[in-house]
Amino acid sequence: NAGVTQTPKFQVLKTGQSMTLQCAQDMNHNSMYWYRQDPGMGLRLIYYSASEGTTDKGEVPNGYNVSRLNKREFSLRLESAAPSQTSVYFCASSEAVVVSGGADTQYFGPGTRLTVL
Amino acid sequence: QQPVQSPQAVILREGEDAVINCSSSKALYSVHWYRQKHGEAPVFLMILLKGGEQKGHEKISASFNEKKQQSSLYLTASQLSYSGTYFCGTETGTYKYIFGTGTRLKVLA
Repeated sequence: NAGVTQTPKFQVLKTGQSMTLQCAQDMNHNSMYWYRQDPGMGLRLIYYSASEGTTDKGEVPNGYNVSRLNKREFSLRLESAAPSQTSVYFCASSEAVVVSGGADTQYFGPGTRLTVL
Repeated sequence: QQPVQSPQAVILREGEDAVINCSSSKALYSVHWYRQKHGEAPVFLMILLKGGEQKGHEKISASFNEKKQQSSLYLTASQLSYSGTYFCGTETGTYKYIFGTGTRLKVLA
């Protein structure tokens, strides 16, 4: 099992360019997440998908869009990149839907290091 | 609001103990703890649920005080491999995760 994979590992964009970050998991997990991590800071949730066919905003969704293509894949799109979006982006997944709280373990991908000039 | 972690950084010698605290201003369903080594992805350590249930798979213990909305991670007899940045993640609603700013831990030989 590869776990959670992300492509690309590194990317440099110019302001205004667009790109899509890809994420896939082979653990048959229902839920998937996109986070960004800025230097010296914790992870901030951008978007998440509780289950196939659903997506919802996290803490910092502005400037991003997502697509849950199928159960395995969850992509993050930057339509018009800005220098403020320079960050490390992590995708994560977790197993089951938990109704009453007590969310499941999240498994993280290796990250994509994005620089916007 | 991000949960507040303390201390921000700590240096230990091998074999020493450490406590990392996480405090939230919101009611919590659960608290998660992760460790991240430089340039790597965060790795799960432990989940603490309301009612006292814990789920984890490493030799690290933690507590969760629901009333005070606080959690503490206890690292005993630290090893060099414990070095890294520790994050608490707090769940304030289903799939609503907010992570703390992290505690940098360095273990020296």
